[in-house]
Amino acid sequence: AQRVTQPEKLLSVFKGAPVELKCNYSYSGSPELFWYVQYSRQRLQLLLRHISRESIKGFTADLNKGETSFHLKKPFAQEEDSAMYYCDGISSGSARQLTFGSGTQLTVLP
Amino acid sequence: NAGVMQNPRHLVRRRGQEARLRCSPMKGHSHVYWYRQLPEEGLKFMVYLQKENIIDESGMPKERFSAEFPKEGPSILRIQQVVRGDSAAYFCASSPQSDQPQHFGDGTRLSIL
Repeated sequence: AQRVTQPEKLLSVFKGAPVELKCNYSYSGSPELFWYVQYSRQRLQLLLRHISRESIKGFTADLNKGETSFHLKKPFAQEEDSAMYYCDGISSGSARQLTFGSGTQLTVLP
Repeated sequence: NAGVMQNPRHLVRRRGQEARLRCSPMKGHSHVYWYRQLPEEGLKFMVYLQKENIIDESGMPKERFSAEFPKEGPSILRIQQVVRGDSAAYFCASSPQSDQPQHFGDGTRLSIL
């Protein structure tokens, strides 16, 4: 089945340390991939999508077709980055199906 | 554009009652998705609908749960004969096309007494 997996349910780093949230996919072809973030008491919102190739709030994510990964990275974590992060994807040419990763709760410690 | 609107924000029901959760997608969005978030857990996909059609309901429990997205009006997630385990936050999202990012509502927090 086409799917997205986030192997880490919880991730803690210290402020100023680099952070990497892992996401692997198993789509064929060229998938469309997204990262969403849910801050405490806020609605889930789009953080970035791979086709835009931009950096949002210091985060970047590169699609690695060889490793079938779309890891989210930030060189220096901030306390306000503490949130739930979800990886989402859809394969090219198909209707969206169950794709959301199970999420990674990031905690940035002072 | 008001964004995805869900109501009610909080819903309390007694065991055995029915719960109806409403979701109005963003203007121009014809694709609607429902997710459930149990306490201390991540989002779990439930169902994906496109106007008047259920596209994917692989995440819906086989009994007591149903969803619709009529030609006119909001999408409805209906839970019959609720049980304590149905207590969760239910989120709705919408998108203009299936390959576009989803826009999420604030969710409905369902509590079962």
